[in-house]
Amino acid sequence: EIVLTQSPGTLSLSPGERATLSCRATETISSDSLAWYQQKPGQAPRLLIHRASNRATGIPDRFSASGSGTDFTLTISRLEPEDFAVYYCQQYGDSEFTFGPGTKVDIK
Amino acid sequence: QVQLVQSGADVKKPGSSVKVSCKTSGGAFSTYAINWVRQAPGQGLEWMGGLIPIFEKPDYAQKFQGRLTIIADESTSTAFMELNSLTSEDTAVYYCARGGSRYSGNYALFQWGQGTLVTVSS
Repeated sequence: EIVLTQSPGTLSLSPGERATLSCRATETISSDSLAWYQQKPGQAPRLLIHRASNRATGIPDRFSASGSGTDFTLTISRLEPEDFAVYYCQQYGDSEFTFGPGTKVDIK
Repeated sequence: QVQLVQSGADVKKPGSSVKVSCKTSGGAFSTYAINWVRQAPGQGLEWMGGLIPIFEKPDYAQKFQGRLTIIADESTSTAFMELNSLTSEDTAVYYCARGGSRYSGNYALFQWGQGTLVTVSS
């Protein structure tokens, strides 16, 4: 099983600031099969990024992502009020998919 | 537009089983991966297993091997998740989520159902 760790656990920022979230895997994720999801309270997760750096349909371009192998990053260039949420990375390159524990982005 | 609609909330006794359904509309069914993900109260997301209906061979997380069954009914575009031997630790919101097609090989979870709360309580 590939274990994902996310840092920081919580990120306290103000609207307009830049957010940088990290996801690290215990082994190389094949074919850059890494996704990022956003989840707000009481809602289902929403796919933001697939294949490590590809924005999903309808995702604003303030969301970008990069990385390969074992280290991945999600960046929100300028936080909007609706971006305060929990963000999860997930790998789907292995037969057993796994999620990271999440990073909560809250308002400072 | 693809929609996934899940069955309603359920309350179960410890030791019993639960079966949750997930009906897909607005897109192809048989060649797209259907996954099940759960979230315990206040906790993170946990992948349970998945299936591409046309292949009929599910993958399960090791944690759930032996008590989880995922099947799909192609005639109704509906997937089912059945979990046996329930304990209070299985209390969670259960989501179905549609991955990419077998042709793309991209199994990120593109669309999600609304979630089904399963409460296990005596």
